[in-house]
Amino acid sequence: EDKVVQSPLSLVVHEGDTVTLNCSYEVTNFRSLLWYKQEKKAPTFLFMLTSSGIEKKSGRLSSILDKKELFSILNITATQTGDSAVYLCAVALIQGAQKLVFGQGTRLTINP
Amino acid sequence: GAGVSQTPSNKVTEKGKYVELRCDPISGHTALYWYRQSLGQGPEFLIYFQGTGAADDSGLPNDRFFAVRPEGSVSTLKIQRTERGDSAVYLCASSPRTVTYNEQFFGPGTRLTVL
Repeated sequence: EDKVVQSPLSLVVHEGDTVTLNCSYEVTNFRSLLWYKQEKKAPTFLFMLTSSGIEKKSGRLSSILDKKELFSILNITATQTGDSAVYLCAVALIQGAQKLVFGQGTRLTINP
Repeated sequence: GAGVSQTPSNKVTEKGKYVELRCDPISGHTALYWYRQSLGQGPEFLIYFQGTGAADDSGLPNDRFFAVRPEGSVSTLKIQRTERGDSAVYLCASSPRTVTYNEQFFGPGTRLTVL
């Protein structure tokens, strides 16, 4: 069974801290790994990773994939209260549907 | 341009009733997905449409769940004889069809509560 596991499930830090969110996966037919931010209902796209060792960066957020060890990390530096959200990791499969298999999410809370 | 829209945003129903949830994808997107997200969990795949046809319905939990997309645009998820365990946020996503994988754009979801 395809599985995506995120850790920690919940994290509370102070504004300005740096956080690292983890995502490990066990799937057949891996195509790519995606990170989404979910603040209320609609997950919004952050990154898509397909190759090992190549960091993707957007402002204070960055992410990297290790296809040998089957995990990815999402880093957020100089956190702000607006970063508070649930961060979802998902794996896209090489199948006709290209459906996403999601982890359970990490709830990040940034306190001022 | 408009994103994915879903209606209603909230639906409260009684056990045993029938409900319909609507998704309007981004214009021109041929791929459409339904996911279900229970409290504290990540979204779970239900069904995928490519055009008008359901190309993969392996995630539908049982035969009370059915979805259509008759004209290849708007989709309706139908749940018969609702049960309390069906309570969740139902998310719809759309994606353009290309050879390589494209990100899925999500709608705001419909929160279904079955009393």
